[in-house]
Amino acid sequence: GAVVSQHPSRVICKSGTSVKIECRSLDFQATTMFWYRQFPKKSLMLMATSNEGSKATYEQGVEKDKFLINHASLTLSTLTVTSAHPEDSSFYICSATARDRGYNEQFFGPGTRLTVL
Amino acid sequence: SQQGEEDPQALSIQEGENATMNCSYKTSINNLQWYRQNSGRGLVHLILIRSNEREKHSGRLRVTLDTSKKSSSLLITASRAADTASYFCATDASGFGNEKLTFGTGTRLTIIP
Repeated sequence: GAVVSQHPSRVICKSGTSVKIECRSLDFQATTMFWYRQFPKKSLMLMATSNEGSKATYEQGVEKDKFLINHASLTLSTLTVTSAHPEDSSFYICSATARDRGYNEQFFGPGTRLTVL
Repeated sequence: SQQGEEDPQALSIQEGENATMNCSYKTSINNLQWYRQNSGRGLVHLILIRSNEREKHSGRLRVTLDTSKKSSSLLITASRAADTASYFCATDASGFGNEKLTFGTGTRLTIIP
C-alpha cells in the first residue's frame, strides 16, 4: 500500500509551452501533497505544499504564477509549469501524506524528468 | 537556508563493509527520517527516529540521533551492491502528519562488488 504515482515520467517540451505533471495517491487519501524540485546530484528542495480544496502554500522564491498547483481531490494534485524555459529543466518529485497513517510519513512518487529545449 | 548537511558527500566502499553517513541539522526537530534514492528515481523511506529516541534498528540499518549536537548517523552493515544509491536525511519540526520536510544535502554511496 501507500503508492504514489506521477505522470508523465519524462517530458520534453519546447521553450514557452506549458507542461502539466500529475501526482496521484493510488491506494489512500492524501490530505496533503508536496512538490519538490531536484537538480542533478543535489538534494530535494520543497516548492510548495498542496492541501486538498485550498490554495497551495509556496516556499520563498518559488513563483506561484509560474508553477501552478491544483489539488482538486484527495488523490490527485497537479503541477503545471507555465511558459517553461530551459532553466526549468529539472526532476520534479511529489509526495503525499496519508490521513489514516498518522505521524508525518510521506510517500514519494517516482519523479518526472522535465527537459525544456 | 535551513537545509541540513550530510557527510561525506560521496562514499565508496567494498561490498561487505559497513557504511556510515552523518547528517547535521539546524533547528529543533520532532522527527528525523532517512531516505534512499536510486539514480533518477523517487525516494524510498528507510527509517524514522523520533526526537526522544537515541537509536533505532531496522534490518541492516542502524540510526542514531543526538539532539544535543543536532546530528544523526545512518549505518548500513554488511553492504551489498544493491545499496548503491543516494541517501538523504530529512527533518520535520512538528508532530503532526502534514508538516513539510527539510532534506539534507545527501550522501552518494557506491558499493564496489
